[in-house]
Amino acid sequence: AQKITQTQPGMFVQEKEAVTLDCTYDTSDQSYGLFWYKQPSSGEMIFLIYQGSYDEQNATEGRYSLNFQKARKSANLVISASQLGDSAMYFCAMRVVDTGRRALTFGSGTRLQVQP
Amino acid sequence: NAGVMQNPRHLVRRRGQEARLRCSPMKGHSHVYWYRQLPEEGLKFMVYLQKENIIDESGMPKERFSAEFPKEGPSILRIQQVVRGDSAAYFCASAEGGFSNQPQHFGDGTRLSIL
Repeated sequence: AQKITQTQPGMFVQEKEAVTLDCTYDTSDQSYGLFWYKQPSSGEMIFLIYQGSYDEQNATEGRYSLNFQKARKSANLVISASQLGDSAMYFCAMRVVDTGRRALTFGSGTRLQVQP
Repeated sequence: NAGVMQNPRHLVRRRGQEARLRCSPMKGHSHVYWYRQLPEEGLKFMVYLQKENIIDESGMPKERFSAEFPKEGPSILRIQQVVRGDSAAYFCASAEGGFSNQPQHFGDGTRLSIL
């Protein structure tokens, strides 16, 4: 079974500063993918960034980067130059390549509030 | 916009009624997933379908819940004889394939409220 742990229920950051959202995972599978999603107050789920277990470089997408430390089983999301519109819930998720089981396992989320 | 379409956005039912939630995947996507989100929690997997087949329903309650993805038309999540505990947001996601590196794209969800 897979498990995702997000230990920060809430985070505050000043506008224009960087923030790191923590995510640790547990799996016995060797091949898996890690994802981050953003859920604003309007409720939709927005895909942000993906990291594969065999990727040697950390993923980056614009202001988002993923600090992937495989030995520590962590996949922290770094948001640079925070904006007010970044205020939202952020979910870390994992997916393994397993016969028949292709669903995402989500963490409990971190609520980020960006302050002006 | 060719994103994942879910309807209705909000659904209110009385205890004992049936709820039908619809999901049209993104164009070209043949893999559909349903998730449930309780307030202040992460999403929990319910069922994974491909056209006309249920691939994994390990997260689905054994009773009252069913899902289908017919050859034509949207995927349907059906909840019979709803109870207060069914109140939640239900999300549908679609993917082009079943590979781990393919992100699932989510619809806006259906907020189900049981009176």
